[in-house]
Amino acid sequence: DTEVTQTPKHLVMGMTNKKSLKCEQHMGHRAMYWYKQKAKKPPELMFVYSYEKLSINESVPSRFSPECPNSSLLNLHLHALQPEDSALYLCASSQLPGQDTEAFFGQGTRLTVV
Amino acid sequence: KQEVTQIPAALSVPEGENLVLNCSFTDSAIYNLQWFRQDPGKGLTSLLLIQSSQREQTSGRLNASLDKSSGRSTLYIAASQPGDSATYLCAGPQSGSARQLTFGSGTQLTVLP
Repeated sequence: DTEVTQTPKHLVMGMTNKKSLKCEQHMGHRAMYWYKQKAKKPPELMFVYSYEKLSINESVPSRFSPECPNSSLLNLHLHALQPEDSALYLCASSQLPGQDTEAFFGQGTRLTVV
Repeated sequence: KQEVTQIPAALSVPEGENLVLNCSFTDSAIYNLQWFRQDPGKGLTSLLLIQSSQREQTSGRLNASLDKSSGRSTLYIAASQPGDSATYLCAGPQSGSARQLTFGSGTQLTVLP
C-alpha cells in the first residue's frame, strides 16, 4: 500500500472561517510534508514533520498551523485565510532521508478562499 | 542551493512516438532524483526514483537516467499513448537538506491520437 489519503478533496471557505485539512498514511513513514501548489507552478514546501516533530517551517504565515497527532496522521489547520491562499494543498510522506527515499503524495485538497 | 530546471515547458507528439523529457540540476552532489506525473487538478504520482549510485531505472515503458557529472536526468517514454498526457515533474533533494524536495517547473506533455 503506497497510498496517502487526503480529505476533503475540495474545500471552499470564507476568510473568517476555521477549517482543517487531513492527511493519513499507513506505510510506516516517519516523515510527513505539506506542500502548496498554485496553478501552473511546481509544489512549494510548507512544513516537514520528522518523528511527529516539526522540523522545517518554510516561513509560512501563522494562519496555517500544522499538527501531527501521531505517526500516521497530519493535519493543517486554517484560520483567517486570504483569497491568495487558494491553491492545491498536497500532503506527502517518506521514510527518513536516504538514497532510496521515495516520496509519496496524496491527491490533494483544492482550497478556494472566498 | 539546488535548482532544478525542465525544458521544454510543453511538448506535443503524435501517438506511438518515443520521446525524451529533460531535467537539469545544479548540485551534482544530489543523491537521488524522482520523476512524478501530475494529471490536471490531481496529486503527484511517483514514477521512478533513481539513486545516485544508479544510472538508470526502468518501469514498463518508462526509463529514467541520471548523469551527476553533467547535472542531467532524462525520462524516456516509449511508444507514447494519449493516456500519457499529463505534466511530468522531476525533483531532487535540496542541498544540505534531504527532506526538502526541489521541483522543476514541469513539462506538459500532450500525446495526440
